[in-house]
Amino acid sequence: TQLLEQSPQFLSIQEGENLTVYCNSSSVFSSLQWYRQEPGEGPVLLVTVVTGGEVKKLKRLTFQFGDARKDSSLHITAAQPGDTGLYLCAGEGSNYQLIWGAGTKLIIKP
Amino acid sequence: DVKVTQSSRYLVKRTGEKVFLECVQDMDHENMFWYRQDPGLGLRLIYFSYDVKMKEKGDIPEGYSVSREKKERFSLILESASTNQTSMYLCASSFGGGGYHTEAFFGQGTRLTVV
Repeated sequence: TQLLEQSPQFLSIQEGENLTVYCNSSSVFSSLQWYRQEPGEGPVLLVTVVTGGEVKKLKRLTFQFGDARKDSSLHITAAQPGDTGLYLCAGEGSNYQLIWGAGTKLIIKP
Repeated sequence: DVKVTQSSRYLVKRTGEKVFLECVQDMDHENMFWYRQDPGLGLRLIYFSYDVKMKEKGDIPEGYSVSREKKERFSLILESASTNQTSMYLCASSFGGGGYHTEAFFGQGTRLTVV
């Protein structure tokens, strides 16, 4: 069974600080996606990484896929209150289904 | 823009009632999914469908059934609602195939409370 573990589960930091969220597995994934979910809404895709070692940037967010395609990280530089939300990683499993991490709840205090 | 629309944002039902949650997508996606989301447990897959009239059980199908009579519509049915089915229900759709095509587009969610 493929599993994805996200850490930390919860993070509360001050505006302007940096943070990193991790998504780890013992399994290899063909691709991995990061989503952000705001309260009362469905998750929205931020990025998909496909190649081992791939790094993608989305403004202040940097996503990295591990060389062995078993893990990924999301780094936020100079966090803003608008970054507050639930961050979910999802790996492409068998039959193109997504295997989901439990999520990291991020709160950025002004 | 891709749009996935769930029929209700909030529902309150009584124990034992039969509950229908409807989901419609407008991007001609092959795949459709129903998840429930509970704090600390992430998204758990209830059922999914790769094509019209096809359905596959996910990780937690007990107490649920689904119907996909048309490509754009995927319905979740709670045969006899119970309090432990109180949750946020999320519908999603995606293209067939792997890689970037597994990107899931979600509806806004239905917060179901069973009393």
